[in-house]
Amino acid sequence: GDSVTQMEGPVTLSEEAFLTINCTYTATGYPSLFWYVQYPGEGLQLLLKATKADDKGSNKGFEATYRKETTSFHLEKGSVQVSDSAVYFCALTDKLIFGTGTRLQVFP
Amino acid sequence: SQTIHQWPATLVQPVGSPLSLECTVEGTSNPNLYWYRQAAGRGLQLLFYSVGIGQISSEVPQNLSASRPQDRQFILSSKKLLLSDSGFYLCAWSVGGLSTGELFFGEGSRLTVL
Repeated sequence: GDSVTQMEGPVTLSEEAFLTINCTYTATGYPSLFWYVQYPGEGLQLLLKATKADDKGSNKGFEATYRKETTSFHLEKGSVQVSDSAVYFCALTDKLIFGTGTRLQVFP
Repeated sequence: SQTIHQWPATLVQPVGSPLSLECTVEGTSNPNLYWYRQAAGRGLQLLFYSVGIGQISSEVPQNLSASRPQDRQFILSSKKLLLSDSGFYLCAWSVGGLSTGELFFGEGSRLTVL
């Protein structure tokens, strides 16, 4: 069946470092892909999405490109901040299957 | 604006006891409603979803049940809890179905079964 694989965490970075969180997927058909973020003590929020191959989703300085040839949707940010510390989930439709989440910790 | 409320936030229950988690949505009509569980070290697992009052679809056979007695109310229940029911339960709603991918989540309920 469809599945999502995320890199193990936690990812620990210093402020202003470059971030990559890897996400690969297995799916039949052409799913839409999503990144959700869960800040401490809060529910999940949609961060960005891409609905077809080569689409780039972006929001709050984060970006992810839908790569059909590598079945990937890696999350990137050029310069992370302490406030980006959270758990990030990759997901795909059409049943909205989530990955296990990757915890990001950013230190000043 | 739309809001989603989920309670209780934390619950510690003995094995064999009943469970009731409640979720309500405000500011929208006829939402699709969902219950997810997040077990330690695992991703979010869709447990139930509902497209209308009294309409419940179960994704995974388990010890839990769900009900939707009102348009914006979604309840997760169990008659007898198991240790394996421990986890973080999240309620969510959407305007479209799961294929849109745009869900709005509550803050979650952490259940510990002892």
